Amino acid sequence: GESVGLHLPTLSVQEGDNSIINCAYSNSASDYFIWYKQESGKGPQFIIDIRSNMDKRQGQRVTVLLNKTVKHLSLQIAATQPGDSAVYFCAENRHYNNNDMRFGAGTRLTVKP
Amino acid sequence: DVKVTQSSRYLVKRTGEKVFLECVQDMDHENMFWYRQDPGLGLRLIYFSYDVKMKEKGDIPEGYSVSREKKERFSLILESASTNQTSMYLCASSGQGAAKNIQYFGAGTRLSVL
Repeated sequence: GESVGLHLPTLSVQEGDNSIINCAYSNSASDYFIWYKQESGKGPQFIIDIRSNMDKRQGQRVTVLLNKTVKHLSLQIAATQPGDSAVYFCAENRHYNNNDMRFGAGTRLTVKP
Repeated sequence: DVKVTQSSRYLVKRTGEKVFLECVQDMDHENMFWYRQDPGLGLRLIYFSYDVKMKEKGDIPEGYSVSREKKERFSLILESASTNQTSMYLCASSGQGAAKNIQYFGAGTRLSVL
């Protein structure tokens, strides 16, 4: 899972396997969450979002799960591909209608061919 | 597609220099942001702007200032660069309404202060 510190959590998976990246958020009042992907040399890119009135949302090959009881968010990537190798981080927003986003430190995903 | 362009990918400056980091977005977004990204610390908000000539301090504004004279351009200024400002700087923008929460990022400027 994500944490603030000097070393980025890492996850290494085999190509074709499913990946699960975890994020523990801090504010129980947060009601909107986003997952970003940051490839080497690029800026973060939006992947998927979820509001706190949902516990699951699916996109193309990605699923986000939200457990508000334990303040936990996860990103599942199905059939992981080499192009999925990147740093993934979650962001939480205290209110849906403002810009107060808080970003996690990220998890580095490496996909082995 | 939204495009956020940061004028420099890499910059090397000397301690005490005044540094300008420029960011331009082409989607007529009202909101623009400057973050710094350091290993293991994630993105930390320096300043943001809701509109032209408006600015708000983020979590770590000390040592920085910003300028937003035009809607599409948001500049980050290091008045007197110091070595602890060596970092990756990311600019982002977002729209209004439901799109307000999704921030679109530039590729980043890696600044080294010697």
